[in-house]
Amino acid sequence: DQQVKQNSPSLSVQEGRISILNCDYTNSMFDYFLWYKKYPAEGPTFLISISSIKDKNEDGRFTVFLNKSAKHLSLHIVPSQPGDSAVYFCAARLGDMRFGAGTRLTVKP
Amino acid sequence: DTAVSQTPKYLVTQMGNDKSIKCEQNLGHDTMYWYKQDSKKFLKIMFSYNNKELIINETVPNRFSPKSPDKAHLNLHINSLELGDSAVYFCASSQGGRLFFGPGTRLTVL
Repeated sequence: DQQVKQNSPSLSVQEGRISILNCDYTNSMFDYFLWYKKYPAEGPTFLISISSIKDKNEDGRFTVFLNKSAKHLSLHIVPSQPGDSAVYFCAARLGDMRFGAGTRLTVKP
Repeated sequence: DTAVSQTPKYLVTQMGNDKSIKCEQNLGHDTMYWYKQDSKKFLKIMFSYNNKELIINETVPNRFSPKSPDKAHLNLHINSLELGDSAVYFCASSQGGRLFFGPGTRLTVL
């Protein structure tokens, strides 16, 4: 029973353009959402988060949007850089943390 | 100066063996976890320990047993390894709602 879903396994964008990574969830009781970034042979690292009482949180080039009515979360990266190439995991918290399967982002120079 | 470390990074072993993965965090966090990343790439929680008490156990077979000698360590012991145990195992600690992951241990059972 996957409560957090990332339906796009991969995404490729050109350097300088916007990257949009999407995440859907099923449990309306989740109170906190996070994005993690993972490079090969490393553990996931925290990127940005948003509380369920907000609809937007921005940190530099990264912005997370939350649409509670649609149970949808998205991460915008602008402008995208080659160093952003990694796997991005969406996570939602209700007590413990539930993760999606990840989206592999490739930013081409 | 690694915050969450795990050893070994790679582990290749035969079916039926018993193995352990060690985890240490130097962040002073109260809660530590073990996650399993399966073949479908989902990160699924296995255990968490808070002040040496197990507070989550997500239908994990009892062949898996977490052992926490102190607040900074949470080791994972696996008995009678099976082929389906092959996966990447991540240790993590948490504070303030955020998880800090170790680099992972890739376990391959032959």
